[in-house]
Amino acid sequence: GAGVSQSPSNKVTEKGKDVELRCDPISGHTALYWYRQRLGQGLEFLIYFQGNSAPDKSGLPSDRFSAERTGESVSTLTIQRTQQEDSAVYLCASSLAQGPEQFFGPGTRLTVL
Amino acid sequence: LAKTTQPISMDSYEGQEVNITCSHNNIATNDYITWYQQFPSQGPRFIIQGYKTKVTNEVASLFIPADRKSSTLSLPRVSLSDTAVYYCLVGPMDTGRRALTFGSGTRLQVQP
Repeated sequence: GAGVSQSPSNKVTEKGKDVELRCDPISGHTALYWYRQRLGQGLEFLIYFQGNSAPDKSGLPSDRFSAERTGESVSTLTIQRTQQEDSAVYLCASSLAQGPEQFFGPGTRLTVL
Repeated sequence: LAKTTQPISMDSYEGQEVNITCSHNNIATNDYITWYQQFPSQGPRFIIQGYKTKVTNEVASLFIPADRKSSTLSLPRVSLSDTAVYYCLVGPMDTGRRALTFGSGTRLQVQP
C-alpha cells in the first residue's frame, strides 16, 4: 500500500509568515510523529499522537509550533511567525501501536528567508 | 533515553563487510537497540532491532554483547547503494510514547 506522504515537498516563505505542513500517515497506523532535521544533523522529536490520547507535545521548541491530527488520519504541523532558524526538513512518521518500526515520509523542506 | 555514541563517518569499498559500532553505556533494562538508514533527501528507514545476542535479517546483522553497553551493525558485502547515514537508537518499546531520539549518525561512504 501507499507509504507516508507529506506536502508540500518544498516550502519557501518569508520571515514572519505562517506555514502549514501536512502529513498523511499509512492507513491503520494509530501513532504519528513529527520530527525536525536541520542540515547535517540528526532528527529532533517534536510531537507524538497516539489514537485518541492527548498528544505528547514535549518536543515542540516554542509556542509558535502547534500540530493537530484528525482522528487517526491526516496531521498538520503549523509554524506561526516563522524565523530563519525554523529552516529545516520536517519529517513525519507513522507506526502501528505495537512493533518497533516507524515509517517515515519524504519530508518537507522549509526555507525561511 | 540512553545516549548513544557512534563514529561520525566511515569509508569502505564495494564487496567489503562494514561494521558500525555504537556505544550506549547507560542502556536501561527495558531498552531496545534499533538502527535506521537514511539516504539523502529521504526519511530514515528501519533496518533492524534487537535486545540481546544476535539478530539477523535480509539486510543486516546486529550483534549485542552480554552487557548491552554497545552494539554493532554489520552490513555484508556493501554496494554503492549502501552509502547513507546510519543511526543507532536506544529506547524502550513498552511505553506509550516511542518517539525516537536520533543522534548525528554515522555517514558511510562506499567507493567502487
